[in-house]
Amino acid sequence: AQSVTQLDSHVSVSEGTPVLLRCNYSSSYSPSLFWYVQHPNKGLQLLLKYTSAATLVKGINGFEAEFKKSETSFHLTKPSAHMSDAAEYFCVVSDGGSARQLTFGSGTQLTVLP
Amino acid sequence: EPEVTQTPSHQVTQMGQEVILRCVPISNHLYFYWYRQILGQKVEFLVSFYNNEISEKSEIFDDQFSVERPDGSNFTLKIRSTKLEDSAMYFCASRRDPGNTIYFGEGSWLTVV
Repeated sequence: AQSVTQLDSHVSVSEGTPVLLRCNYSSSYSPSLFWYVQHPNKGLQLLLKYTSAATLVKGINGFEAEFKKSETSFHLTKPSAHMSDAAEYFCVVSDGGSARQLTFGSGTQLTVLP
Repeated sequence: EPEVTQTPSHQVTQMGQEVILRCVPISNHLYFYWYRQILGQKVEFLVSFYNNEISEKSEIFDDQFSVERPDGSNFTLKIRSTKLEDSAMYFCASRRDPGNTIYFGEGSWLTVV
C-alpha cells in the first residue's frame, strides 16, 4: 500500500522569500513521485516528477524537489516566491505495483503575501 | 502543447438523474483515468481504463458508475442515478504508457441538488 502525507495544510510566505512544501510518502515499491499544482478554477498541472533518475528534480516555474529515500521525503522548494505561485499543491505517489493509480496527498495551500 | 479537454465545465443536476461527463484524452494516449475531488477533500482515484476495458477501480466506483470509450476519441463517465454525495470536481486524465506523465483535464464540477 502507498500513502502520502503533506505536513502542512497551509503555508504563507512573503513574495521574494523561499518556499518549502513538505511531503512524506510510504510505498512498498520504488515509487514515482510527483508534484501537481492547482490554481483556482483550474485543473491539475504537473510541476515536476521523480522516476528513479536524479534525486534532485527540477520543474517548471523555478520549483525543484529532492527525493530522499532514507527520510521517505520529497519536499518541494523554490528560492523566491512570486505572487503567481499562490495555489494548492499536491504531492502524489505512484508505486507502480498497483494498477497505475496515483495516491494524492491532502494538499498544501500556498499563500504569497506582498 | 496537447491537452486533455473535459465537458461540461460545470453541471447542476437533480438527485436521481443520470449524468454523463465527457473527456477527450490526448490523441496518442492509451491509458485513461477518472478521479474526483469532493470539496475540501483529497483527490480520489475512481477508475483506470486500458484496451477498452476497466483495468482497476476503487471502492467508490460502484454499480452507479460506468465508463466508456465510444468512438476512439471520447472517454465518458456516466453516473446512473446521482446522489447528493456525488457532488464533486471530476478530473479526467490520460497517459501514453505507465512510465509517462499523467495529464489532467481542467475538471468538471458536478453539483447534485
